[in-house]
Amino acid sequence: EAQVTQNPRYLITVTGKKLTVTCSQNMNHEYMSWYRQDPGLGLRQIYYSMNVEVTDKGDVPEGYKVSRKEKRNFPLILESPSPNQTSLYFCASSNGQGRLDTQYFGPGTRLTVL
Amino acid sequence: GDSVTQMEGPVTLSEEAFLTINCTYTATGYPSLFWYVQYPGEGLQLLLKATKADDKGSNKGFEATYRKETTSFHLEKGSVQVSDSAVYFCALSTPLVFGKGTRLSVIA
Repeated sequence: EAQVTQNPRYLITVTGKKLTVTCSQNMNHEYMSWYRQDPGLGLRQIYYSMNVEVTDKGDVPEGYKVSRKEKRNFPLILESPSPNQTSLYFCASSNGQGRLDTQYFGPGTRLTVL
Repeated sequence: GDSVTQMEGPVTLSEEAFLTINCTYTATGYPSLFWYVQYPGEGLQLLLKATKADDKGSNKGFEATYRKETTSFHLEKGSVQVSDSAVYFCALSTPLVFGKGTRLSVIA
């Protein structure tokens, strides 16, 4: 089954404790991205990757890191989480970033930073 | 820059009512337009899309027509069901830009 998986689905942590949210897709997609979803603000892109070893900042990259060492994986790293990073996070993938490309989303990771 | 504006929710309807969720966009060039749906506890999934002016996208009884003259892509359904309760996002590409989402609640 074609899918995007994220782990963990739920995470409660404390300020400053490094964490990683994993994302994996099995569709051989080149393009992957991370979004955060907050009430009243909709989806905002954090980082994206056009291909292996190619990553770029989205609209809200501060406080986040990513890596793309393999085509299927695109982990999101919070080196020193803060309460304002409490949010619902989605990973997505697609064939490309073109007009016709449909985004496929993971199920989401709800992060709470105390 | 490019942007998408959709009606604010929440929208509450009775089962079998007619649904319209308004979406307008601002873009340079000729974007594709999408509606994504997010069911409770899940990620977004594509509902329908249209790639050029006057195209109509349709799926699961939902429809939207790409109107270049009014820069709109309004989502409609003739008879909603309780199972349609979700958050609906209008989006354009390229670049990919999402609206803020409209929460729909359908009551029996």
